[in-house]
Amino acid sequence: DTGVSQNPRHKITKRGQNVTFRCDPISEHNRLYWYRQTLGQGPEFLTYFQNEAQLEKSRLLSDRFSAERPKGSFSTLEIQRTEQGDSAMYLCASSLVYGQGIYGYTFGSGTRLTVV
Amino acid sequence: EDKVVQSPLSLVVHEGDTVTLNCSYEVTNFRSLLWYKQEKKAPTFLFMLTSSGIEKKSGRLSSILDKKELFSILNITATQTGDSAIYLCASNAGGTSYGKLTFGQGTILTVHP
Repeated sequence: DTGVSQNPRHKITKRGQNVTFRCDPISEHNRLYWYRQTLGQGPEFLTYFQNEAQLEKSRLLSDRFSAERPKGSFSTLEIQRTEQGDSAMYLCASSLVYGQGIYGYTFGSGTRLTVV
Repeated sequence: EDKVVQSPLSLVVHEGDTVTLNCSYEVTNFRSLLWYKQEKKAPTFLFMLTSSGIEKKSGRLSSILDKKELFSILNITATQTGDSAIYLCASNAGGTSYGKLTFGQGTILTVHP
C-alpha cells in the first residue's frame, strides 16, 4: 500500500491552457474525493466518487472543471481554459465507506497548479 | 451551509509549552469531527471524534469533542519544533454528504527552540 498518489506534483501553465491531474487512491478504497486548497485556507471540497459514480459536485466546480473515475480506480481532474484564479493545491483523498463507517480517510500530497 | 471555524489562526510558542487549538462547527446532520496536521504536503490524520466527552490521545496530542456546545479542542503538551505545522479540523456530515469534509481555515503553529 503506497498511499494516495497524485501526479504531477507541480504544474505551471499559461492562462487559457487545459490541464489534467491524476489521482491513484488506495486500492481497496471505494470513495475518492477532490479538494482544492489556496494559501491560508483549509481544503475546499470539489467532488467525490463512489466507485465510478460521481455523487456530488460543489458549486466551486465550474463548467471548466470535469472529473472522471472511469473504472472505479484512478481519477482525473481536468481544468479547461485555465484562469489565474485556478492557481491552488489540488488534493485527492480516498476512503473506505462500509455500512455506517468511514475508514482510512487519506490524502495525497497534492498537485500544485500555478497559472501564469 | 456547513461551517467550521478555527482559532487562533496562528500561534507562536517555545519548545516545552502546551498549546490548545480550538474548532467550532455548525453542521447539519453532524457525524464526526477530524483533526489533521499539514506540513508542506498532504494533511496527515490525527484523530476522528464521534462521541462527546471521550478524550482521544496519541502521545503528546489529545483531543475531545463537545457535541452540545459544538466545538472540539486539540491539545499538544511539551511542544517540539517538529510540531510546527498547520492544524486543520474538519466536520463530516451524514446523509448524502457522508464523507464530504468541511474544513476550517487552519491554525498555523510555530514552535521555536
